[in-house]
Amino acid sequence: DAGVTQSPTHLIKTRGQHVTLRCSPISGHKSVSWYQQVLGQGPQFIFQYYEKEERGRGNFPDRFSARQFPNYSSELNVNALLLGDSALYLCASSLEPGNQPQHFGDGTRLSIL
Amino acid sequence: QKEVEQNSGPLSVPEGAIASLNCTYSDRGSQSFFWYRQYSGKSPELIMSIYSNGDKEDGRFTAQLNKASQYVSLLIRDSQPSDSATYLCAVNLYYGNNRLAFGKGNQVVVIP
Repeated sequence: DAGVTQSPTHLIKTRGQHVTLRCSPISGHKSVSWYQQVLGQGPQFIFQYYEKEERGRGNFPDRFSARQFPNYSSELNVNALLLGDSALYLCASSLEPGNQPQHFGDGTRLSIL
Repeated sequence: QKEVEQNSGPLSVPEGAIASLNCTYSDRGSQSFFWYRQYSGKSPELIMSIYSNGDKEDGRFTAQLNKASQYVSLLIRDSQPSDSATYLCAVNLYYGNNRLAFGKGNQVVVIP
């Protein structure tokens, strides 16, 4: 069975641009979460979606937004990119929110020049 | 107080020895706890889930949970060079809309 898939794998942008990252969950999983991981730190929670509705939001500015589609795939959008947005962006899926374990995709490495 | 704390520095263990990793958390209502392994440049991989007090064993890995002390640990028995990675403790926060909070991770280096 396919795991969580993310695209693109790598992305280079300049300050002020916007970016869209995509994620397809494991088949049967209805919840998708997004995380940002900078070097030397654990992943930081950005958003959680379940059945196309936002179920949680982390401490990130409004430049960050996301949505979930009827097929449970998801997009993370970041506007007005800053140098500090350079990070590994991880998508994780689970059967549903709550105590279910989350499984991660390979991530999108975003570099801002 | 941080939501999830992993305070130990890099851990070097000889091949075949036991590696012991510790984690504390602040949310007393949390019900589910996870250990992830992350190789350099890769994404986190789930290796253990634990929900009840006590020990849970899976192969060479044992997770231990003590909710009263708000403490989770991971033991890696018969450590192998392939176990060299960063290990992340994650807690599903009851009072945080069930979001997953991570510690900063502990690097383990297994010396052949």
